[in-house]
Amino acid sequence: QQQVKQSPQSLIVQKGGISIINCAYENTAFDYFPWYQQFPGKGPALLIAIRPDVSEKKEGRFTISFNKSAKQFSLHIMDSQPGDSATYFCAANPNYSGNTGKLIFGQGTTLQVKP
Amino acid sequence: GAGVSQSPRYKVAKRGQDVALRCDPISGHVSLFWYQQALGQGPEFLTYFQNEAQLDKSGLPSDRFFAERPEGSVSTLKIQRTQQEDSAVYLCASSLVSSGGASNEQFFGPGTRLTVL
Repeated sequence: QQQVKQSPQSLIVQKGGISIINCAYENTAFDYFPWYQQFPGKGPALLIAIRPDVSEKKEGRFTISFNKSAKQFSLHIMDSQPGDSATYFCAANPNYSGNTGKLIFGQGTTLQVKP
Repeated sequence: GAGVSQSPRYKVAKRGQDVALRCDPISGHVSLFWYQQALGQGPEFLTYFQNEAQLDKSGLPSDRFFAERPEGSVSTLKIQRTQQEDSAVYLCASSLVSSGGASNEQFFGPGTRLTVL
């Protein structure tokens, strides 16, 4: 059962532009929403994360916007750079008794930033 | 400091062979996760260890998959009688704490790419 849906599948942005990746979830029992960045041949690395009691979190050029009522969250990359070219995954951590911290990942978005 | 390491980085197996994939988590990390990442997809949870205890194996796709972490540090994922559908990247992640939520930053290794011919 797919619980986190991510779009678009791929994205091409010009250098200096804004990259926007969207995710939607179905299970209201999620309480932690991280974004991971993955380069070819590497494991995913945490980029930024948010909890549902906050509507927005910004770290440098990266911002998460969170809409709890719509069960949606998005990643905005401002002033996109060629070095940002990678695959981005949203994820969610279930919040229930006995939660182990496992992450449910979206399908991924391949971002290409053109110089 | 040293991150999560995995070995081998690449493994080619003939259908029906057994394989063993190793994960060395960050020292002192309580939690250890295995994920399977098919080509062009997001990682999918396989199993979870808290120290040496395997507390969640709900994601293991069949009884051909077996994981262990006998001393609470290094973990091995074993796949018996490999099938072509087992071809994927197997990722290991560790985290410092044993609960979910905001304190649960997972640090991933580079993965082992398994190809079953």
